[in-house]
Amino acid sequence: NAGVTQTPKFRVLKTGQSMTLLCAQDMNHEYMYWYRQDPGMGLRLIHYSVGEGTTAKGEVPDGYNVSRLKKQNFLLGLESAAPSQTSVYFCASSYPGSSSYEQYFGPGTRLTVT
Amino acid sequence: KNEVEQSPQNLTAQEGEFITINCSYSVGISALHWLQQHPGGGIVSLFMLSSGKKKHGRLIATINIQEKHSSLHITASHPRDSAVYICAVSHRSGTYKYIFGTGTRLKVLA
Repeated sequence: NAGVTQTPKFRVLKTGQSMTLLCAQDMNHEYMYWYRQDPGMGLRLIHYSVGEGTTAKGEVPDGYNVSRLKKQNFLLGLESAAPSQTSVYFCASSYPGSSSYEQYFGPGTRLTVT
Repeated sequence: KNEVEQSPQNLTAQEGEFITINCSYSVGISALHWLQQHPGGGIVSLFMLSSGKKKHGRLIATINIQEKHSSLHITASHPRDSAVYICAVSHRSGTYKYIFGTGTRLKVLA
């Protein structure tokens, strides 16, 4: 049981390049989230999904797209990377049936855009 | 004003000291979470609270729902406790989203 995994762990992009971050969970969780973490700002929600085939915008969605084609995977795409997207990206998942919806986090992806 | 406020932002302590980190929130919640993040590391859940107090080893978390306040205590602190501690709340409306504080960076010196 690997929990929540993220691929890749590190990436350097040039401005304008595109990439996809993969999040996978093996806990059969319905809900999945993508966050970015920047110094002094805490974690901010980019996009989230409440089930296979559904996605929704979070607090800072601009410049990102997501897809949830399979329940266990949640992909975050950057179509044209910008230096402002340099950040650490965390994926998380949670399950219904608990009123507090405890979230389980992946190890993070450190992205640098030059 | 942020919906979840933590204090202090930074904290340096000597090994063995008793440490308190505070979290105040302004929204109705279904639960409050304390998370730990070591430098360069992932995020781990320490506690999930909806009332009262919980203890795990040297860590104690308390919550006062009426005052909308929670504290995380570390007894007999150790350098391996050095990390960022993050408070997050699950909104009472039952949404699946967390509202995060900006974190408290703790450094424990040997």
